[in-house]
Amino acid sequence: DGGITQSPKYLFRKEGQNVTLSCEQNLNHDAMYWYRQDPGQGLRLIYYSQIVNDFQKGDIAEGYSVSREKKESFPLTVTSAQKNPTAFYLCASSINAGNGQPQHFGDGTRLSIL
Amino acid sequence: SQKIEQNSEALNIQEGKTATLTCNYTNYSPAYLQWYRQDPGRGPVFLLLIRENEKEKRKERLKVTFDTTLKQSLFHITASQPADSATYLCALQADRGSTLGRLYFGRGTQLTVWP
Repeated sequence: DGGITQSPKYLFRKEGQNVTLSCEQNLNHDAMYWYRQDPGQGLRLIYYSQIVNDFQKGDIAEGYSVSREKKESFPLTVTSAQKNPTAFYLCASSINAGNGQPQHFGDGTRLSIL
Repeated sequence: SQKIEQNSEALNIQEGKTATLTCNYTNYSPAYLQWYRQDPGRGPVFLLLIRENEKEKRKERLKVTFDTTLKQSLFHITASQPADSATYLCALQADRGSTLGRLYFGRGTQLTVWP
């Protein structure tokens, strides 16, 4: 079955540590997105990529980094510069970046600080 | 900046009734409006999309309206069931300009349908 796989489901980070969240899709979608969800705040866009080898900052990119070297993969690194990383992280993809395409989401990674 | 408001954080209704959820927006002229369902600990799931030139869209027990003059969308679930209990998110999208492809999400409305 086609879909988006996020791993791990739960992740713990120590102070000063970088961690990488995995996102893989086998839908052959061009566009991919990373969101952060906090209680009562809805989804906020961190980074998005409209095509391989290209990505743009979203609304809360500080303290995060991404790469898009392959069409099916869009990993997110939470760096030590992100002072409040505890949140639920969601990855999504769409066929392309425009024309009213719906987004398909993974089941998220919950990141906590030790 | 864009602002999207969804009516009350929580909505409780009895099974069999129609649930009506509201999405209002300001400072934006979306080409598309989408509705998603999210269950606890899961990612959102796409339900319906409506275009700016469409007034209404239906899918089984779901109905969405889109009024660009009022800057409002209404999402209806008829003959509601306990299985419809979830958080429902509205999202706006442009089809041109620097924000191409981006979705702007509301905070969601948590719907509980009791037997």
